[in-house]
Amino acid sequence: ETGVTQTPRHLVMGMTNKKSLKCEQHLGHNAMYWYKQSAKKPLELMFVYSLEERVENNSVPSRFSPECPNSSHLFLHLHTLQPEDSALYLCASSQDPKGGYTEAFFGQGTRLTVV
Amino acid sequence: GQNIDQPTEMTATEGAIVQINCTYQTSGFNGLFWYQQHAGEAPTFLSYNVLDGLEEKGRFSSFLSRSKGYSYLLLKELQMKDSASYLCAVEDSNYQLIWGAGTKLIIKP
Repeated sequence: ETGVTQTPRHLVMGMTNKKSLKCEQHLGHNAMYWYKQSAKKPLELMFVYSLEERVENNSVPSRFSPECPNSSHLFLHLHTLQPEDSALYLCASSQDPKGGYTEAFFGQGTRLTVV
Repeated sequence: GQNIDQPTEMTATEGAIVQINCTYQTSGFNGLFWYQQHAGEAPTFLSYNVLDGLEEKGRFSSFLSRSKGYSYLLLKELQMKDSASYLCAVEDSNYQLIWGAGTKLIIKP
């Protein structure tokens, strides 16, 4: 399998549930990203792991918790979410941008609905 | 603050030409990207500009003017499959991508 793969594609969860989103890249990249995409809004960068260094976005609530066990895998752990967290969650990977031009490759996303 | 502006929606006719504009105000500039996103699918890379001028790639071209903080994506010989959202993104001085909200392009027969 090639590219960036995300699972699950769709997820419905209650506000008291705990779930995890998974992302895997087979491109040999050394940076991985979580984005939130809401209708008619810009992509919102949530977390970045680059060269094994985590870069946090301080505006992300603590109910979202990332984990990057190695350069090929990225998880987003979800706990006690709110209905406004319903969105498309996209994973992406690239070479570390500090090394020069690089393009990001995206997974197809997880459509999350919080009920 | 950092800001990327692009039209919310555009409509064009099959076989015609359409230009999607993007203006930006960012903390530094390391390049501008255009991505295409079909409904329910992943964004895919279309073009990259870091120097002023026009980059042509088949039916798609992208233009950049750094002094004006302006770019456009030009799509020629439009096909129905070009119906999608087109996302403009600028890499700032911290190597972070700042995204526009996207332009939904509707192609009519």
